[in-house]
Amino acid sequence: GAVVSQHPSWVICKSGTSVKIECRSLDFQATTMFWYRQFPKQSLMLMATSNEGSKATYEQGVEKDKFLINHASLTLSTLTVTSAHPEDSSFYICSARDLDTLSYEQYFGPGTRLTVT
Amino acid sequence: RKEVEQDPGPFNVPEGATVAFNCTYSNSASQSFFWYRQDCRKEPKLLMSVYSSGNEDGRFTAQLNRASQYISLLIRDSKLSDSATYLCVVRGTGRRALTFGSGTRLQVQP
Repeated sequence: GAVVSQHPSWVICKSGTSVKIECRSLDFQATTMFWYRQFPKQSLMLMATSNEGSKATYEQGVEKDKFLINHASLTLSTLTVTSAHPEDSSFYICSARDLDTLSYEQYFGPGTRLTVT
Repeated sequence: RKEVEQDPGPFNVPEGATVAFNCTYSNSASQSFFWYRQDCRKEPKLLMSVYSSGNEDGRFTAQLNRASQYISLLIRDSKLSDSATYLCVVRGTGRRALTFGSGTRLQVQP
């Protein structure tokens, strides 16, 4: 089955530093990957749509200069949280859709739990 | 108004009970509908897609009412392992991203 991995699974960083999160589709290709954020007891909120070979599309209210997205290949997208602050602490989840299927099913990575101290 | 609305619960039910969750969505042009399950501190996993004709997968039955913009999930013979948060998810026209409801928490008790 389709597998999406994320790395790291959890990270603790100091305020002001940057953190990079990787999202990989392991056994399929994805021109589009999605980045979501989930705060405790809240739903997943779409942050941005990552497009291979082009700029990401950000949702309203998400700062593109703070959350840098790079989709360098058909199997890898990265999200960099720059100058992290404690309010950026959250569960970040990526998802990808298999190009070769007609289904709109998205496969989710296991998530990255970010804690900014 | 939220795009996808769910009762957050929690629903506390005994093993063997039948429980139903409802969800409403605001965009009448929405194309696809799903129920996902999310366990604590884990990623969401697809439980089932939802079709206008209704569909069943074992103990789980999903229904879609496009006229009322309403989606439901019925779980029969609840198991302890069904305890999780159930997310109602909608995909809109021209969008490949998904919109998630805030989830309904189910706790099945022995």
